[in-house]
Amino acid sequence: AQSVSQHNHHVILSEAASLELGCNYSYGGTVNLFWYVQYPGQHLQLLLKYFSGDPLVKGIKGFEAEFIKSKFSFNLRKPSVQWSDTAEYFCAVNGGGLNSGNTPLVFGKGTRLSVIA
Amino acid sequence: DAGITQSPRYKITETGRQVTLMCHQTWSHSYMFWYRQDLGHGLRLIYYSAAADITDKGEVPDGYVVSRSKTENFPLTLESATRSQTSVYFCASATDRANSPLHFGNGTRLTVT
Repeated sequence: AQSVSQHNHHVILSEAASLELGCNYSYGGTVNLFWYVQYPGQHLQLLLKYFSGDPLVKGIKGFEAEFIKSKFSFNLRKPSVQWSDTAEYFCAVNGGGLNSGNTPLVFGKGTRLSVIA
Repeated sequence: DAGITQSPRYKITETGRQVTLMCHQTWSHSYMFWYRQDLGHGLRLIYYSAAADITDKGEVPDGYVVSRSKTENFPLTLESATRSQTSVYFCASATDRANSPLHFGNGTRLTVT
């Protein structure tokens, strides 16, 4: 069965610090990888996704993630965080290539990011 | 405005009562999902549906029932609510492609007393 591990439960950073959130997955086939963000009191929103091509993907609000197939990892990065990045971040994975039907996403347990001034 | 709406936003009910959470989407997405979000567990899939009249169990289906008579609606029913079902419930929809992102509703916060 697929699984997703997010290494950090809670990360606290000062504004302008660099961010890297770890995500490792367990799945044997072609994968689609996602990062979602949940701002306080809101629903989950897509930050970025990877399904093929360049393993370095750029998302909204200056976030990027790198897919390293050999490490089964999809870490999220941002060079300089802002107070408004305070949120919970979820890594998620499902299987299937471009012509495959949808399969439910498996989510990690989330990483809470607190950015302090 | 097109989107996915959940109702109610908040619900308090007593143990043993039946509760139905509603989900409606206007995108005509094939797939719809119900997740519950709990501290320390992230999001766990309860049920999903690939199309009208097709539903499948997820990771934590016990105590829940779903139906999908129309593409746009995917209600979730707790047949006899228990305190362990106190949670935030998110409905989501997606197209039928494997790399299609989920579009989430705003969630229903359910408290079972």
